[in-house]
Amino acid sequence: QSALTQPPSASGSPGQSVTISCTGTSSDVGGYNYVSWYQQLPGKAPKVLIYEDYQRLSGVPDRFSGSKSGNTASLTVSGLQAEDEADYYCSSYAGNKILFGGGTALTVL
Amino acid sequence: QVNLEESGGGVVQPGRSLRLSCAASEDTYSGYVMHWIRQAPGKGLEWVAMIPSDDRPEKYADSVRGRFTISRDNSKNTVYLQMNSLRPEDSGIYYCANGGSFYTLFWGHGTLVSVST
Repeated sequence: QSALTQPPSASGSPGQSVTISCTGTSSDVGGYNYVSWYQQLPGKAPKVLIYEDYQRLSGVPDRFSGSKSGNTASLTVSGLQAEDEADYYCSSYAGNKILFGGGTALTVL
Repeated sequence: QVNLEESGGGVVQPGRSLRLSCAASEDTYSGYVMHWIRQAPGKGLEWVAMIPSDDRPEKYADSVRGRFTISRDNSKNTVYLQMNSLRPEDSGIYYCANGGSFYTLFWGHGTLVSVST
């Protein structure tokens, strides 16, 4: 069981928006401003999309956005495209360690 | 251009040791905290260890503390992961990444470790 909870799957049609949640506790997600989001395409290494809750890494399309409320962080993908189909992971600093979520498989219908 | 290249993976018997290396370009290494993260086959990501760029102490996941040691050679822009007393559950792809103390930024392509008889 992963330390941070993500839904195992999510889906949306091209052009739609989809939001993936990442739930932790006040000792990790809610306690620090250090949630990151990653995209992992099949057979590839993970790529950072968002860090420090909502900062978009240089080169990442602005269709990807991060937010947080209390102990739950969210990644929203707007204007879904076929190439967005991938696994998405969240992570959070948790005092002397970094925790990951179990990952969400995003399907573009 | 970000350049992180892991090496040293392979097949090893339980209880044996292995040392992974991650060679980085100067602009990917200097001043950054370096991390190791692993991914078991078909599973999610697990943070393993981190080492700051200064004299602050390194940090480890509970699952590897006392068995793994992270180090860095600034003259070679290289970070290492010495893995001792390996277990089957240590198998997976090991990625190195740069970043800060609380997050990662850029990842390498990974090196595969298989612990098996």
